Formats: sequence, C-alpha cells, structure tokens
Amino acid sequence: DSGVTQTPKHLITATGQRVTLRCSPRSGDLSVYWYQQSLDQGLQFLIQYYNGEERAKGNILERFSAQQFPDLHSELNLSSLELGDSALYFCASSVAAGLGSPLHFGNGTRLTVT
Amino acid sequence: QQPVQSPQAVILREGEDAVINCSSSKALYSVHWYRQKHGEAPVFLMILLKGGEQKGHDKISASFNEKKQQSSLYLTASQLSYSGTYFCGTGHQGGSEKLVFGKGTKLTVNP
Repeated sequence: DSGVTQTPKHLITATGQRVTLRCSPRSGDLSVYWYQQSLDQGLQFLIQYYNGEERAKGNILERFSAQQFPDLHSELNLSSLELGDSALYFCASSVAAGLGSPLHFGNGTRLTVT
Repeated sequence: QQPVQSPQAVILREGEDAVINCSSSKALYSVHWYRQKHGEAPVFLMILLKGGEQKGHDKISASFNEKKQQSSLYLTASQLSYSGTYFCGTGHQGGSEKLVFGKGTKLTVNP
C-alpha cells in the first residue's frame, strides 16, 4: 500500500459529461502528480502541484483542470468527455517538488466513457 | 521530450539477466525507474541523479551516463516476481519539474 488514496476506483459515464477524480497524498507529501494511462500507452504526464500551487504542466487538454486544496488533497476535473478520454488515471505524491524524490502512485481511477 | 526505452519487450527464463535502456534527446538531471504489474499501480525502484552513479537494489541495479544522456536498468538472475512493465521517467535540469515517462518495456520471466 503506497499510502496514496484515489477515489472512485471505477467510473462509467457518457460522452459530454463531467467527472471529478479525487486524490489524497501520502501523509507528509506536499507534491501531487496526475498521469493518464491508456491501453498500450505509457504514463502521460498531465499536471503537478506542490503545496497548493501548480508547478508543471504536461499535455493536459483544456477540457481538463486540476487543483490542490489546503489540506493537500487534489482533484482532477474532466469535462465534455469524449470516448478517447477512457483511460486509467493515476495520482502520485512525493515529499518534495523537485525530481530527486520518488513518486508513490495510487491505485488509479479507471474511467470509461460510453 | 519523451525518453525512448529499448527493448519494447523481453522474455527471459528464470535466472537469466536482462538490460533495459532509457535514452533522452535532452540533457538529463534525473532518471526514475518504476515497475508496473498488470492491473496494479507503478512501484518505485530507484532514482539516479546526474553524475554517472550506479545504484543497486538487491539484484536490480541501474547506471546513469550523463554524457550519453541515457540510463540502463540491470536485472540479474531474474525471478518470476520481476515480470511486469518497466518505465523510466526523466527530468531535465533548467526545465520544468515534470517527470516524463517512456512507453515502457514489458518483461516476462518464465519458469
């Protein structure tokens, strides 16, 4: 158990809808990362937050947004969903903002858009 | 900016060795290695920072060649539990703090 909690585990929704994925980092970790993993694809970096502030952005679509709250949990909002958004979404946390700390991944939220 | 991993897949018999390579087109600051088993979350193996250091973790070790902008993961005397997909993630100095992963190398260890 990595200590990172993601909810829900599974989400099935229709095209055009909006969903929110939630992540609670490990105790003591200030940095949260979001990754998208599609079938046969690697881990696509979406966005990183550190102590409430956005630190790095990847190939995140404009329809997607995220934030990190004062209690350090993070939410990823996906709107106007398309079939191609179906994927496994991972949240990871680390103690620091830089690239010298290991990432600890949650078990992911599997999103299915029908 | 995505690192390139090779090979894409490798099949071993228990006890054999394997090397997985990770190359970047940009100067590297750090390289992370993770293993993901089917249906599970990626699990951290090790981090290497620039300086050409080598790290070890039981029978799994890695090197970081700053000049060649690449890292290699060495799996020695493989065990069945080593099966999974291995990802390298790279970070670049002077750039943002994003960790970008390669497409992964699928390792299968058979009895």
